[in-house]
Amino acid sequence: EVQVLESGGGLVQPGGSLRLSCAPSGFTFSTYAMTWVRQAPGKGLEWVSSITYGGGRTYYADSVKGRFTISRDNSKNTLFLQMNSLTAEDTALYYCTKAAATTMTPQIWGQGTMVTVSS
Amino acid sequence: QSVLTQPPSASVTPGQRVTISCSGSTSNIGTNTVNWYQHFPGTAPKLLMYSNNLRPSGVPDRFSASKSDTSSYLAISGLQSEDEADYYCAAWDDSLNGVVFGGGTKLTVL
Repeated sequence: EVQVLESGGGLVQPGGSLRLSCAPSGFTFSTYAMTWVRQAPGKGLEWVSSITYGGGRTYYADSVKGRFTISRDNSKNTLFLQMNSLTAEDTALYYCTKAAATTMTPQIWGQGTMVTVSS
Repeated sequence: QSVLTQPPSASVTPGQRVTISCSGSTSNIGTNTVNWYQHFPGTAPKLLMYSNNLRPSGVPDRFSASKSDTSSYLAISGLQSEDEADYYCAAWDDSLNGVVFGGGTKLTVL
């Protein structure tokens, strides 16, 4: 079964950092682009960042550009999202998603990991 | 303010048909394919339709989608109480170089 499993969420103070991880299973990770999507409490889905299958190209939403870094280690089958300079507006459930073969749009979603930014 | 525009809510009675619209522009829906997602709060969103009008295996044929110019439409026929969920559209945007989502439509089955 194709699955992705996020980890690394938690409570962090404003200005702090957190690194999310995503572990895929059931598919050849190194051949698919991956995308992070978040959902703030009571809000809709918001795209955060995407990375091509080889990691050579990355894309970011304006709201996180310069603060978040997406990366992947295909040898260890892991996707990362390094989040720095966190603010209360980053509080959300963060979903790791396997992208479709030809686009960055999400195809398979994880259960999400909650990030709460609060003092 | 979402790049793709969806009605915030829709209400229908069981057995009826509903159509949810998703309006974009030439840089997203006009150029790229559209996906639709079904989301029950507290669970992982699920891919409902992809590549404009294709259904993943396991999705009932009561669900269909279409695209015209810069808009996409999700249709659900024979509505059931279990269809009560939030529905989102999404597409790649060539101008923003990112994935854009609709604001979501909360479907209520009365």
